[in-house]
Parts: sequence; structure tokens; C-alpha cells
Amino acid sequence: DTAVSQTPKYLVTQMGNDKSIKCEQNLGHDTMYWYKQDSKKFLKIMFSYNNKELIINETVPNRFSPKSPDKAHLNLHINSLELGDSAVYFCASSRQGPGKLFFGSGTQLSVL
Amino acid sequence: DQQVKQNSPSLSVQEGRISILNCDYTNSMFDYFLWYKKYPAEGPTFLISISSIKDKNEDGRFTVFLNKSAKHLSLHIVPSQPGDSAVYFCAARGSSGDKLTFGTGTRLAVRP
Repeated sequence: DTAVSQTPKYLVTQMGNDKSIKCEQNLGHDTMYWYKQDSKKFLKIMFSYNNKELIINETVPNRFSPKSPDKAHLNLHINSLELGDSAVYFCASSRQGPGKLFFGSGTQLSVL
Repeated sequence: DQQVKQNSPSLSVQEGRISILNCDYTNSMFDYFLWYKKYPAEGPTFLISISSIKDKNEDGRFTVFLNKSAKHLSLHIVPSQPGDSAVYFCAARGSSGDKLTFGTGTRLAVRP
């Protein structure tokens, strides 16, 4: 059983499109995150949610909108995709707050 | 502002020898440090951690050392095995406990 699963694994799309990435965790964790790894390999936090409540929004453009329908799911919707959005996006979860994070396998987003 | 730095992008070590991966940080408010290991096409996985009240933590072949005065930590792997070949990320958590800040990673290659 995959602990943190995110779909799709690869996403290739045109500039200006809207896309979503889904994430689910079956660990019973309270906190979920979205991280972005850019071309320079920086792994930067974008959002964190605790029990469906937004805790961190790390100066991400408002084209990015996370949605947490329940504490096991944290989806990421991106509007009007730009070339600079190309990156690997990782979902993660933790029991309570940041520490030992469990990561999904990543979504490679390529905007053409 | 890169608060967690891994200045060596890559390291090559002979199987059976010691691997030493280094990490420097600038924020004196960091109170908890972690190492993650990442294989290609997978998410990072937690390896070992250390609290700022300690200077050493050991788990099998992996030992993390923390030098608070130098704002430096290191991960020692001994003996190194080919399966240890991966990218290793250092991460730090601030005393506010709201997020992890990651380094850019060091790619370790263990030669048979």
C-alpha cells in the first residue's frame, strides 16, 4: 500500500491551461504539504494544511490553489499555467507539523 | 536567501569506505535537523534526524553529527554500500515549528 500517492506522475500541457494534481495519504496524518522542486533542485514548501486548515502559504502566486476536502487529501489546482511552473511537485504528509515527512513520488509538470 | 546549504553537489566513494555528507545553515533559530534520501523518480524518504540539544545521533550505518557553534551538520555512512547511491537532502526546522527548509542535495555515488 502506497502511503502517500499523487497523480498524475507526468503532466505535459500547454501554456495557459488549467491543471490539477491529486494527493492522498493513508497514514492517518494530520498535516499535508505541497513542495516544488525547480530546475536548480531547490525543494521549497508551497503550502501546508493541518486538518483541512491552511497553515502555510509560502508566497505562491494565486494561480495555485490548494484544496483539502478532508485530512487525507490535498489537491493542487493550477490556473493559467506558465513556462516557469515547469518543475516536480511533491506532496507530503506528517503526523503533526513538520518533522518526519512522508513524500509522494512526485509529479513532473512540463509546460510547453 | 538560502538558509540551508549543501555545497558539494556530488560525492563519489568506494564501497566499504566512509561517506561524509555536509550541510551548513545560517539560521540560529533552527532546532531540529533531518536527512532525507532520494532515489530517481521517487520522493525523498526520511533517513535520520537530530535535535539541537544533541551533538550526535546514530542509527545503524548512519550517524548525524551537529556542531551548533559552526552551524554545521554532517551525515556519516559507514560502510558505504552501492544501494546508498542516491541524492541526500539536509533539512532544518525552525523553533516556530511550521516548516522544513531543505538544502539542494548532494548526489552520492558508491562505486563497487
